[in-house]
Amino acid sequence: EAGVTQSPTHLIKTRGQQATLRCSPISGHTSVYWYQQALGLGLQFLLWYDEGEERNRGNFPPRFSGRQFPNYSSELNVNALELEDSALYLCASSFFQGVSYEQYFGPGTRLTVT
Amino acid sequence: GDSVTQMEGPVTLSEEAFLTINCTYTATGYPSLFWYVQYPGEGLQLLLKATKADDKGSNKGFEATYRKETTSFHLEKGSVQVSDSAVYFCALLNTNAGKSTFGDGTTLTVKP
Repeated sequence: EAGVTQSPTHLIKTRGQQATLRCSPISGHTSVYWYQQALGLGLQFLLWYDEGEERNRGNFPPRFSGRQFPNYSSELNVNALELEDSALYLCASSFFQGVSYEQYFGPGTRLTVT
Repeated sequence: GDSVTQMEGPVTLSEEAFLTINCTYTATGYPSLFWYVQYPGEGLQLLLKATKADDKGSNKGFEATYRKETTSFHLEKGSVQVSDSAVYFCALLNTNAGKSTFGDGTTLTVKP
């Protein structure tokens, strides 16, 4: 069974530009989650999508946004990039069972803002 | 809010030594608890989980028990190998919020 996939593996952008990161969940999973792993800040929750809707959002500014498509894949957009947005962005997926479930993570997209 | 405190690293052990990485948490409700492992340049791999008090998660020789009374989920392995060298993250999942809260990670290096 294929795991969570993310593209691109690496992305280099200039401050002020926009970045788009993509995630394909494990087949059958309907929920997608995004996390940021920045140096010195640890892993922080960004967004949760389930059945095409945003269910929860972490403490990030509105220039971090995303969406989930009918096939459950997801896209994270970061507008007006700042140097501190440089990080590993991890996507995870799960089959949302309400009471108990686990999140399976992809390999991540390394975003570098120069 | 939810929080996870992990034993500070780095931890360096000789092959076949006993491993303990401490993890304590603060949460409302009854979260699920997890240990993830991250190898250099890779994402997170789920190592083991426990969903309720007194549950023991185990995988690849690693074990952790969900202790509600001490709000702990310590990771143990009886005999580590060089291939266990990685960063280990303790995490809790607030299932209603869909949000995992992670510890800072503990870097384990196992020397032959």
